[in-house]
Amino acid sequence: DGGITQSPKYLFRKEGQNVTLSCEQNLNHDAMYWYRQDPGQGLRLIYYSQIVNDFQKGDIAEGYSVSREKKESFPLTVTSAQKNPTAFYLCASKAGAGQPQHFGDGTRLSIL
Amino acid sequence: QKEVEQDPGPLSVPEGAIVSLNCTYSNSAFQYFMWYRQYSRKGPELLMYTYSSGNKEDGRFTAQVDKSSKYISLFIRDSQPSDSATYLCASGHTPLVFGKGTRLSVIA
Repeated sequence: DGGITQSPKYLFRKEGQNVTLSCEQNLNHDAMYWYRQDPGQGLRLIYYSQIVNDFQKGDIAEGYSVSREKKESFPLTVTSAQKNPTAFYLCASKAGAGQPQHFGDGTRLSIL
Repeated sequence: QKEVEQDPGPLSVPEGAIVSLNCTYSNSAFQYFMWYRQYSRKGPELLMYTYSSGNKEDGRFTAQVDKSSKYISLFIRDSQPSDSATYLCASGHTPLVFGKGTRLSVIA
């Protein structure tokens, strides 16, 4: 079954700790995206990548880092510099220009 | 002014009603328009995708785009309790710009 897999579904972070959220797609899509969703705020773009080994900052990149070493994988690290990391994180991908984005089922990150 | 504006609701309708969800956008360069449905604790699911003015129909759902007034709408006919979700409009190119979502409840 083709799709986007995010793991884990729930994640807890201790103060001062970095955590990494996984996003894998088997759709052969070129572009991948990370969003943060908070109640009443809609989707806010963190980072996106249109091609392997290249990525761009979105609107709220501070405190986050990404890598894109493989086409199918786009992990997001929430660093200790992100002071308010509690949110629902969504990964998306799309095949190319003009194509719609498809989303994974998200990771909910909470602070211990 | 945000690039895509969407009334957050919440919107509550009886089962069987026609639902109208609306968004406006500000950038006339936007070419692609999408509607997503998001159930609680799940990722958004693509409902409708269009790149031209006019109507696009898929079952009980109709997406309407008016580029002259920069207005996009989603109509749901014969609404069902299973349609209760948050609906997100999106527009733009790369990256997409999303509205904040409208929360819909369909009451049986």
